[in-house]
Amino acid sequence: AQTVTQSQPEMSVQEAETVTLSCTYDTSESDYYLFWYKQPPSRQMILVIRQEAYKQQNATENRFSVNFQKAAKSFSLKISDSQLGDAAMYFCAYRSPREGTYKYIFGTGTRLKVLA
Amino acid sequence: KAGVTQTPRYLIKTRGQQVTLSCSPISGHRSVSWYQQTPGQGLQFLFEYFSETQRNKGNFPGRFSGRQFSNSRSEMNVSTLELGDSALYLCASSSGAWGVYEQYFGPGTRLTVT
Repeated sequence: AQTVTQSQPEMSVQEAETVTLSCTYDTSESDYYLFWYKQPPSRQMILVIRQEAYKQQNATENRFSVNFQKAAKSFSLKISDSQLGDAAMYFCAYRSPREGTYKYIFGTGTRLKVLA
Repeated sequence: KAGVTQTPRYLIKTRGQQVTLSCSPISGHRSVSWYQQTPGQGLQFLFEYFSETQRNKGNFPGRFSGRQFSNSRSEMNVSTLELGDSALYLCASSSGAWGVYEQYFGPGTRLTVT
C-alpha cells in the first residue's frame, strides 16, 4: 500500500525568505501523480502544484516549485519570497491512476508559519 | 464557475443520533470524494463516487455511508454518532477524466458530537 510521510509537523520562515517542505512517499508503482495542497486557517483547501511521475521536469507555479526525486521517492515543495498569506497547513498527496484505486493518500501535513 | 459547496457548514449532534451532510460539486465534475479531517489523524479517505457508483471506500465502519445522485450531488450519512466522529468533513470534486486528478475542495462541514 502506498504511504505519504511529512516529517515536519511545523515550519517557520521569515517573510521574503525561502522555505522547503518535505514529503516522502512509498509506492511500487511507476506511474502516479503527486500534489501539494494548501489549507489556510479556516479556509478551503486549494491545490498548489501537481507533478506527474513520468515527467522529469520539476513543476513550477509562480513562487512555488517542487523538487521531485523519483528514485528517492521524495517530493519537496519550495516556497520562494514567502508572504504572510502563505501561512497555512500544507498537505502532500499521492494519487495512483491505476484502475480500481480512485483515492488520494494524504500526508499528515506541515503547518507553515510566516514571520513578519 | 461556482466552487464546491457543502451544507450545513456547522452541525452539533448528540451521541447516538444520525446526520446527513451534503456536497454539490463543481458543475461538470462527476467524481466526488469525502474525507474526515481531525487534528490527530489528518485527512482520512472515506469514499469516492463517480456517476452514482461508489468506486472506493476507506477503512471506516459501516455507520458511514454515502450516495451520489444523477446530478453528481453527493450526500454522506453517519448513523449512531460517536464522540470520535467529531471532525471536519471535507468533500472534493474532480472531473473524473483520465489523467485529470486535481481535486477541488469544499469549505467542509464541522460536525461536533456531544
